[in-house]
Amino acid sequence: EDKVVQSPLSLVVHEGDTVTLNCSYEVTNFRSLLWYKQEKKAPTFLFMLTSSGIEKKSGRLSSILDKKELFSILNITATQTGDSAIYLCAVEAGWGADGLTFGKGTHLIIQP
Amino acid sequence: NAGVTQTPKFRVLKTGQSMTLLCAQDMNHEYMYWYRQDPGMGLRLIHYSVGEGTTAKGEVPDGYNVSRLKKQNFLLGLESAAPSQTSVYFCASSYGSHTGELFFGEGSRLTVL
Repeated sequence: EDKVVQSPLSLVVHEGDTVTLNCSYEVTNFRSLLWYKQEKKAPTFLFMLTSSGIEKKSGRLSSILDKKELFSILNITATQTGDSAIYLCAVEAGWGADGLTFGKGTHLIIQP
Repeated sequence: NAGVTQTPKFRVLKTGQSMTLLCAQDMNHEYMYWYRQDPGMGLRLIHYSVGEGTTAKGEVPDGYNVSRLKKQNFLLGLESAAPSQTSVYFCASSYGSHTGELFFGEGSRLTVL
């Protein structure tokens, strides 16, 4: 059974801090790992990672994948209150088209 | 620019009642999915479809049925609702497999009393 584990499950930091969110996985036939941000409604796409060691970056957010150790991290620097959200890690695996396996999410709260 | 649209957005049912959630996408995507999201459980796949006329079971299919009669629509049915089906339901679509990114609707909150 495919498994995606995120840590921590919740995190409270102050505005301006840097945070690192973790995602480890155990899946058969890994294809890609994705990060989503979920505020009040639909998850919105952040990054898709398929290759080890190549950092993806968007503004203050960055992510990297380690396919040997089977994990990914999502970094957010100079956090702002608008970064408060649930961050979801998901893995696409297998040989069919059965969607993504999601972790439970990290609930990030940024305090002013 | 509609993307993925779910109706209804909220619904309250009594145990044993039936209902259908409708998902419509205007991106000409082949693949469509229904997930449920419960506190502390993340998103879990209920059923999915790889094209018009096809459906397949996901991780938690029991108590649900689906149909994909038209490419743009994916229906999720509850024949006899149970309190355990109280959840937020998300529909998603993608162009194909191996593309990774899913496009999500805004969710439908269902409460079963």
